[in-house]
Amino acid sequence: DTGVSQDPRHKITKRGQNVTFRCDPISEHNRLYWYRQTLGQGPEFLTYFQNEAQLEKSRLLSDRFSAERPKGSFSTLEIQRTEQGDSAMYLCASSLGSSEDTEAFFGQGTRLTVV
Amino acid sequence: AQTVTQSQPEMSVQEAETVTLSCTYDTSENNYYLFWYKQPPSRQMILVIRQEAYKQQNATENRFSVNFQKAAKSFSLKISDSQLGDTAMYFCAFKGGSEKLVFGKGTKLTVNP
Repeated sequence: DTGVSQDPRHKITKRGQNVTFRCDPISEHNRLYWYRQTLGQGPEFLTYFQNEAQLEKSRLLSDRFSAERPKGSFSTLEIQRTEQGDSAMYLCASSLGSSEDTEAFFGQGTRLTVV
Repeated sequence: AQTVTQSQPEMSVQEAETVTLSCTYDTSENNYYLFWYKQPPSRQMILVIRQEAYKQQNATENRFSVNFQKAAKSFSLKISDSQLGDTAMYFCAFKGGSEKLVFGKGTKLTVNP
């Protein structure tokens, strides 16, 4: 296992189309996080899972966004009816989630461009 | 809500010299963690150093050290003997009782030969 893997690395889509991104966390990590990073900004939290349960969602996650982690392993983030404002880097991270281990490991991200 | 402020959008340093990146944060929590993450161009974010708020001793990791001032809510990063490979965006981040990381806007550091 070489780390957190995200697919695709780049996605260009037309406004109004649906897109889905995938994240494969480090295998033993039970917590998985999604963040969004726009140009010139730090990452902003979107949501996180403990195993298959989605435990927290940001108000940034509008009803056009949905995330799943069906078997507590990989996760998908879907954006429906994309808008130009959705253009950003979408980062996935994972962690062991124990009380003593708070380090989150990040993937390389999926860069979404909505044209 | 917690906020993290990085007041230096860009900094530069000569190779082998020392540079300090600033970070302040605002929280009402007493137990939390602070982090510095490095994001090289087109590469994934990696953890540089972390500090537990209950520890008074400043964290160090080789050439990287922090100056944690809890009362002032300040958490600066010092990079000693700067190397060309240190060129990157550096993000300060806070984690409290919630699982989410709250990031600052970042400081773009350029190490010049």
